[in-house]
Amino acid sequence: DAKTTQPPSMDCAEGRAANLPCNHSTISGNEYVYWYRQIHSQGPQYIIHGLKNNETNEMASLIITEDRKSSTLILPHATLRDTAVYYCIVRVEGGADGLTFGKGTHLIIQP
Amino acid sequence: KAGVTQTPRYLIKTRGQQVTLSCSPISGHRSVSWYQQTPGQGLQFLFEYFSETQRNKGNFPGRFSGRQFSNSRSEMNVSTLELGDSALYLCASSLDGGGYWETQYFGPGTRLLVL
Repeated sequence: DAKTTQPPSMDCAEGRAANLPCNHSTISGNEYVYWYRQIHSQGPQYIIHGLKNNETNEMASLIITEDRKSSTLILPHATLRDTAVYYCIVRVEGGADGLTFGKGTHLIIQP
Repeated sequence: KAGVTQTPRYLIKTRGQQVTLSCSPISGHRSVSWYQQTPGQGLQFLFEYFSETQRNKGNFPGRFSGRQFSNSRSEMNVSTLELGDSALYLCASSLDGGGYWETQYFGPGTRLLVL
């Protein structure tokens, strides 16, 4: 069963902010929200993760709603290199099972 | 700090053969996980190793196996290759200092083609 729902594709103009939504309405209290991206034929790249507070790092910002049922990944100034498939994953802390990847969102940055 | 490295990057085999793929985790990382990515099934978890022991396993047949060495390097083996085993095989490492799952960092993958 998919734990997250993401739009299959999105477009964004170069230089603008890219806002990628993710629904995780069945998230548990101890589950984190993780974002990875995969540029064509490369290994997935970790972007950011959070539990309930908004998070920011050098790559992106993660906004999690108060009820934690959805989140948005924000790439503040998208470049052509940000064209990739973006995966939103919910993951409990602890345990040793692997990441469960859905189909993700194919973000296309337009020049 | 060097990232996760995988060798070889590309491999061509024929049906019935076996193959061994290698993964060197980030220095200091003790957990290594393997994933298979195909266009039809997406990214799927194969297994995870920590301290030379397999801790968890995905839903793959016994033809898929792995091991981890004392320096945390890991290998995975696929025996009796089938056409459907053609895929990108990804290795990911994490620190796993406290026994909790931590952020995984992926290597570039090994692309296997079975003819």
